[in-house]
Order: sequence, then C-alpha cells, then structure tokens
Amino acid sequence: DAMVIQNPRYQVTQFGKPVTLSCSQTLNHNVMYWYQQKSSQAPKLLFHYYDKDFNNEADTPDNFQSRRPNTSFCFLDIRSPGLGDAAMYLCATSITGTATTIQETQYFGPGTRLLVL
Amino acid sequence: AQSVTQLDSQVPVFEEAPVELRCNYSSSVSVYLFWYVQYPNQGLQLLLKYLSGSTLVKGINGFEAEFNKSQTSFHLRKPSVHISDTAEYFCAAYMSGGFKTIFGAGTRLFVKA
Repeated sequence: DAMVIQNPRYQVTQFGKPVTLSCSQTLNHNVMYWYQQKSSQAPKLLFHYYDKDFNNEADTPDNFQSRRPNTSFCFLDIRSPGLGDAAMYLCATSITGTATTIQETQYFGPGTRLLVL
Repeated sequence: AQSVTQLDSQVPVFEEAPVELRCNYSSSVSVYLFWYVQYPNQGLQLLLKYLSGSTLVKGINGFEAEFNKSQTSFHLRKPSVHISDTAEYFCAAYMSGGFKTIFGAGTRLFVKA
C-alpha cells in the first residue's frame, strides 16, 4: 500500500545533541510537510517542500532545518534540541497540480515522538 | 485573519449515542474543509472533506459533516458512536492560493460504555 513512513517512531536525544528525523513516501506526492505537535495541541506547521522549493514558516526557529534529497524522502534536522522541542513530529504529503486539480488532502505518517533529556 | 475554531475541547458521550463535534471557520477566500482523526500515538487520518458540491459529506467510519456557508460551520456528526471512536478530532481548513492548512485546536471524543 502507498503510504507515508516515519522513522524512528520514538527518538530520545540529549539536550543540545543534533538529531535527524526521517520521512519517506511511496505516494509520489510533490509536496511534503513537517509539523510539530505538542501534547493536546493542534499540529503546527514548521515548513514544507513544493517539489524542491523549501518554504519556511515565519515563526519556525532557526534550530529546525529540513532536507529533501529526492521526491520520496524528507528529513527534519534539529541542530540543538532543547527541552521545549520535545513533541510529536508529523510528516505529511499532498499532491498539488493546477488550479483546477488542487485538492489539499494531506496524508500523514504515524509520527516520531521526540524526547529530550 | 483566517482561523478554525473547535468549540468543544472535550466531548464525553455514551456508546451508541449520537454525537456532534462543532467547527467554525473564518476565511475571506474559498476554503476547503476537512476532518481528521488522531488515535493515541498515531498520525492524523482523513475522515472526510468538503471541496465543493453537495454540502453534506459522508466519510469513513459512519461519520458525516455538513458545510454551512452562511454560518461558516462544518460540524461533524455520527448517529451512533462506538468505544473505538474515542480519539482526538481535528477540523482543518485549506485556504485557496496557499499551501497552508489551518488546524483547529482539536476535540477529544471520549466514548463511555
């Protein structure tokens, strides 16, 4: 089945130690998103890629970076995790075409729960 | 500013009872509306969506929602809930012309036996 895969499902890191979260998709979607979701809150968009074009949200801290080496993979890098970065990180994809075919349905992976010690 | 408001943070309900989860949106442009469900430690799963056409939208797991443009609402309903429907439900709106989906704060549905 076509899907969005996130690895690992649980990640423990130390305060200040860089960490990378991975997302892959078999849907061949051209848009990929990273969200941060803290307990009992809505997902918060960090950034998205439209094909190779990177789009950062204005309030996303510089500590968060992303890479998309190809259509299938996208990475979230946290350069110096702080205690406040402990959260669930959700990857999502969508396919966006022309104005007549835009259907902004996002397909989410299961998430990676990050714990910062 | 564009926003999505879910009017109830928690909704407790007995099994086999009907339920309505309320959602209002604010937008000055065309909007597409969604309901997603999130089970514990899982990602979000699409329940249903409204893009255009019939204002009554049917989704998976017996859920349906009605788009009301005059009241800017998109309430989610199910006539008879099951224990397995216990989860967090997010209403979301995609504003035409951008790539950003605005999520509501979520409603926790708790189904009791």
